Amino acid sequence: EVQLLESGGGLVQPGGSLRLACAASRNYAMSWVRQAPGKGLEWVSAISHSGTSSYYADSVKGRFTISRDNSKNTLYLQMSSLRAEDTAVYYCARDRTLGTRPHDAFDIWGQGTMVTVSS
Amino acid sequence: SYELTQPLSVSVALGQTARITCGGSNIGSKNVHWYQQKPGQAPVLVIYRDSNRPSGIPERFSGSNSGSTATLTISRAQAGDEADYYCQVWDSSTVIFGGGTKLTVL
Repeated sequence: EVQLLESGGGLVQPGGSLRLACAASRNYAMSWVRQAPGKGLEWVSAISHSGTSSYYADSVKGRFTISRDNSKNTLYLQMSSLRAEDTAVYYCARDRTLGTRPHDAFDIWGQGTMVTVSS
Repeated sequence: SYELTQPLSVSVALGQTARITCGGSNIGSKNVHWYQQKPGQAPVLVIYRDSNRPSGIPERFSGSNSGSTATLTISRAQAGDEADYYCQVWDSSTVIFGGGTKLTVL
């Protein structure tokens, strides 16, 4: 059974940076989805299976960068200029359709990694 | 930007049928996906592309989508179905989630 495992979360000061990683599924588009404490799900970013195309929510555009290294089966989220409102559990999630741009449901989710932005 | 509207909460008696709606402009023209999330756990896909169940999801879960409303239906509700439910679509290469509905099984 395929499993996704996120890492890299932690406490960071406002304005700081952090890089999340996810042991991901090669050949599938992937996304990052976050959930602030007590709140709903918010999509953050997606990347095609090849890594050539990426997409961002307006709330993180220009501050976050999604990437992947398929040779290492790893997905990344580089977060910079972090704000208190970025505090959330960050999940990586797999697009259910093999080998396409991101466009389908998320069939597999990691357990999440907590990011806290606070001074 | 595109928005999805869900009721904050839905209650259902044990063994009865629960219906959770997801409203959006012409949502019937989009593929709607549904997730179940229990406290402290990651979301789980329960319906994809309007009405399809992933393997391992009970037949009690079904979905429909037409016009301006998509609906997740849970038949013969069980205590274990108590959770938050989210609808989701893709719009202009971005993902939109509904605000979530808390299902209470009485």
